[in-house]
Amino acid sequence: DVKVTQSSRYLVKRTGEKVFLECVQDMDHENMFWYRQDPGLGLRLIYFSYDVKMKEKGDIPEGYSVSREKKERFSLILESASTNQTSMYLCASSSGVDIYGYTFGSGTRLTVV
Amino acid sequence: KQEVTQIPAALSVPEGENLVLNCSFTDSAIYNLQWFRQDPGKGLTSLLLIQSSQREQTSGRLNASLDKSSGRSTLYIAASQPGDSATYLCAVRLEYRGSTLGRLYFGRGTQLTVWP
Repeated sequence: DVKVTQSSRYLVKRTGEKVFLECVQDMDHENMFWYRQDPGLGLRLIYFSYDVKMKEKGDIPEGYSVSREKKERFSLILESASTNQTSMYLCASSSGVDIYGYTFGSGTRLTVV
Repeated sequence: KQEVTQIPAALSVPEGENLVLNCSFTDSAIYNLQWFRQDPGKGLTSLLLIQSSQREQTSGRLNASLDKSSGRSTLYIAASQPGDSATYLCAVRLEYRGSTLGRLYFGRGTQLTVWP
């Protein structure tokens, strides 16, 4: 089975901190994605990447950046955390041909205080 | 932009009932459609994936159908159980169009409660 692993299940950070959320997949998938999920707003795409060192903005990239130095790892960076970035963050991956669809990680619940 | 709508937003039924969850999308030029399950505070678990050339997929008590031309999919759950209680999400991937390659468009989900 494809595994998408998010390094932290829960995180509490202070306003203004630089925050790194890590995601690793083990099936050599080309595409990787970061979403955030908030009550009443559903899932919103922050950034995605379809190759190493490539990235594309999603619907809500402001306040975030990403890094993909290796194919299996996609990092989401909150440059200066703010309370409105308190959310559930979900990472996903898929193959380029997308025969099997998306696989999601278990999520990181980030609280910014 | 693709809009995905799921009806109903919430559903509460007694154990044993057969259920139908609905998903509609505005752009019929889809590559595939995927149904997910999400338990509270957890990530998404893939249930079924239907490619655009397919009409339906089945897994155990779950059956998903796709009518691409009318922009609709249904998820049928047979003989519902309390363990089926979760939020069910529908997501579509468009055919390749530049930077939309690979991204999914999600509905808001149907929150299902099955009581004993």
